[in-house]
Amino acid sequence: QVQLVQSGAEVKKPGASVKVSCKVSGYTLTELSMHWVRQAPGKGLEWMGGFDPEDGETIYAQKFQGRVTMTEDTSTDTAYMELSSLRSEDTAVYYCATKGWYFDLWGRGTLVTVSS
Amino acid sequence: EIVMTQSPATLSVSPGERATLSCRASQSVSSNLAWYQQKPGQAPRLLIYGASTRATGIPARFSGSGSGTEFTLTISSLQSEDFAVYYCQQYNNWPAFGGGTKVEIK
Repeated sequence: QVQLVQSGAEVKKPGASVKVSCKVSGYTLTELSMHWVRQAPGKGLEWMGGFDPEDGETIYAQKFQGRVTMTEDTSTDTAYMELSSLRSEDTAVYYCATKGWYFDLWGRGTLVTVSS
Repeated sequence: EIVMTQSPATLSVSPGERATLSCRASQSVSSNLAWYQQKPGQAPRLLIYGASTRATGIPARFSGSGSGTEFTLTISSLQSEDFAVYYCQQYNNWPAFGGGTKVEIK
């Protein structure tokens, strides 16, 4: 059974960074193109970025460029999303999602709360 | 940047009735359009991809149509478990989601 298991909830202060993990089971990470999507409380879905298998590179939504870094550890089949310079507007549930450019498989989400 | 606009924002429907949800793209996305269902506290679930292909395990009462800039998700006979928020997403360019349509009980 394929699963994406995300790390637990985080509380961060403004200006700090957060790193969220997403461990793949039932597949190897190299078989997937991992993406990250976030959802602020009561709001819609927002794509942050993901792996483009055609170019072999990770692409980031313009809104997050310079502030987000997505990495992978193929030895543990774990993907990471690090967001820096956090502000209150970054309070959201962060999802990893995969299986192509439309997302057939999702993690359960990680709540990141930014508060002083 | 392609902007996705969904309408209406809220749709009130009685169980057993048909629901029709719309999604418009600011420029053509061909048939590279997906639909998702999201219930409170849950991750989204893929319903439709390629504008009209149902994902694995999705009931036949869900159907998608359209191409280019205009798309429709139809739920032929609403069941109690279908009351949720629905999102469209284009993947012709970098992925972008619409703002969502909440389907509520009338």
